[in-house]
Amino acid sequence: KAGVTQTPRYLIKTRGQQVTLSCSPISGHRSVSWYQQTPGQGLQFLFEYFSETQRNKGNFPGRFSGRQFSNSRSEMNVSTLELGDSALYLCASSIVSARTDTQYFGPGTRLTVL
Amino acid sequence: AQTVTQSQPEMSVQEAETVTLSCTYDTSENNYYLFWYKQPPSRQMILVIRQEAYKQQNATENRFSVNFQKAAKSFSLKISDSQLGDTAMYFCAFIVIQGAQKLVFGQGTRLTINP
Repeated sequence: KAGVTQTPRYLIKTRGQQVTLSCSPISGHRSVSWYQQTPGQGLQFLFEYFSETQRNKGNFPGRFSGRQFSNSRSEMNVSTLELGDSALYLCASSIVSARTDTQYFGPGTRLTVL
Repeated sequence: AQTVTQSQPEMSVQEAETVTLSCTYDTSENNYYLFWYKQPPSRQMILVIRQEAYKQQNATENRFSVNFQKAAKSFSLKISDSQLGDTAMYFCAFIVIQGAQKLVFGQGTRLTINP
């Protein structure tokens, strides 16, 4: 079974631009979570989607948004990019519940904001 | 607040040695799951081991085992017969069953296995 895939793997943007990252979960997994990883803040939860609905949201500004499609694929969008948004963005999928089912991570998208 | 503390930012051992990574966590919840994830250099994060808090028996996966002390809120990872491929960042994390469906991670321990 294929793992979690994320596209693109690398992105370079400039301040003020917006960006969309994509995540395809493991086949049969319906829950998708997003995390931001930075050297200073570590791994921080962004949001979690299930059945096209956002179930949970972390403490990030409204510039960070996401959505999930009927095939469970998910996208996250960051508008008006800031230098501090440079990070590795990780997507994780689980079967149904991010609480009780193990989350499997994708390789991440490394975003650099110049 | 829910937090995870990994007190060892870096560790280094020789191949074939046994190494223990420390992790303490804080939560007021009684039901949760604990995890150790491994993130090799420039590679994706993979699950090493998982422990259900309601289980007293410590989880094991081949060379990896945990020492789970619920009262002390401690969850250490022991790697036996360490191999070069074990070189990675190791993250301790937990998720509570009631409440937000998010993993809370520690800052990580960078483990280097030397030949």
